[in-house]
Amino acid sequence: GAGVSQSPRYKVAKRGRDVALRCDSISGHVTLYWYRQTLGQGSEVLTYSQSDAQRDKSGRPSGRFSAERPERSVSTLKIQRTEQGDSAVYLCASPFPDQAQGNQPQHFGDGTRLSIL
Amino acid sequence: RKEVEQDPGPFNVPEGATVAFNCTYSNSASQSFFWYRQDCRKEPKLLMSVYSSGNEDGRFTAQLNRASQYISLLIRDSKLSDSATYLCVVYGGNTGKLIFGQGTTLQVKP
Repeated sequence: GAGVSQSPRYKVAKRGRDVALRCDSISGHVTLYWYRQTLGQGSEVLTYSQSDAQRDKSGRPSGRFSAERPERSVSTLKIQRTEQGDSAVYLCASPFPDQAQGNQPQHFGDGTRLSIL
Repeated sequence: RKEVEQDPGPFNVPEGATVAFNCTYSNSASQSFFWYRQDCRKEPKLLMSVYSSGNEDGRFTAQLNRASQYISLLIRDSKLSDSATYLCVVYGGNTGKLIFGQGTTLQVKP
């Protein structure tokens, strides 16, 4: 999506391993959100990271998900001790560049498709 | 009960038909509502925001009914290119998190 890019596009990992997914956004976005899409369960928000690199471990479905902000324009989603149920598409999103924070729609990156073996 | 519910479909309609999707949400404090379109293996893209007064963008009309906690999307004169999944999305409060419906699949046939 415009202004938000994710890498890698595809990732395969063995169950139990930790994985890290990257999101690059237009610099200046205070908050970046991570969502997960799975067939049959739809989309759910996982966690988010803010520009001060505050770490948020409150994401669903458990504390295995955390988001870090190593740089202002980069967010990294870390999944610890991956499970087969973590196989999904992971989407990063940020508010549209010309919108203030708050009740505004979000731009999505093109996603990372994660497969856990 | 899910926070945002949609009929997953699929809706199979001929070209030129008018089709309507509905969506209900459970949190009466929700403030912002959107319809996103998602093509297969692509990211969701904003189609339109939904306002209480209703809004129209070409062939697309979105409506919000706060009393019934209900959102609708109407597509007139369907095109083959309208085939996609339509996601009803609700802004989940002051955290900025979007809450998604399951999505409704539309297939427009020639």
